[in-house]
Amino acid sequence: DAKTTQPTSMDCAEGRAANLPCNHSTISGNEYVYWYRQIHSQGPQYIIHGLKNNETNEMASLIITEDRKSSTLILPHATLRDTAVYYCIVRSATDSWGKLQFGAGTQVVVTP
Amino acid sequence: GAGVSQSPRYKVAKRGQDVALRCDPISGHVSLFWYQQALGQGPEFLTYFQNEAQLDKSGLPSDRFFAERPEGSVSTLKIQRTQQEDSAVYLCASSLAPAGVGEQYFGPGTRLTVT
Repeated sequence: DAKTTQPTSMDCAEGRAANLPCNHSTISGNEYVYWYRQIHSQGPQYIIHGLKNNETNEMASLIITEDRKSSTLILPHATLRDTAVYYCIVRSATDSWGKLQFGAGTQVVVTP
Repeated sequence: GAGVSQSPRYKVAKRGQDVALRCDPISGHVSLFWYQQALGQGPEFLTYFQNEAQLDKSGLPSDRFFAERPEGSVSTLKIQRTQQEDSAVYLCASSLAPAGVGEQYFGPGTRLTVT
């Protein structure tokens, strides 16, 4: 079973920030939070990951709460090309060979 | 550089036929994963290779599924006596490091339809 809970869908206006929540209340100390997205008919694409500190890269920012039980992925200026299913994944660094356990994800639709 | 490639992109098989799906990972990548994605669902892990060694096959749904990576690069997922429930997109991913923290790069997938 997936270790995360995400909303089924979200709409976002083009040019606005998109804030995608994720709950992972059973996360353990050696588990990272990863975000991937999957554009229609493509393979998943890595976005960002973090352990406990907030992270930022050219695609997005990841905000992890102090108790690590939830996180938010922020797309600062959503474009139409950001329409995709976004997956929040909790991944162990030391066991399970690093396999990714995907849930159902959040379908994000960016509208003009 | 080239990403992960998979072939064929689409495969239609009659029930009972055997199929072979190919994955070309990024050159030099140690880890290779296979995932199965049913329509409308997230990908599910099938099996993991570290170089040529298959270290985890816990996700393979039945003994009709077989995967290999004999030289530690190209991998093949074989499904024998296909059934309708095998219809799905089969995704391959590779990563540079042995399993652990690191980015997995996914191919475009092979869409298998069993009629």
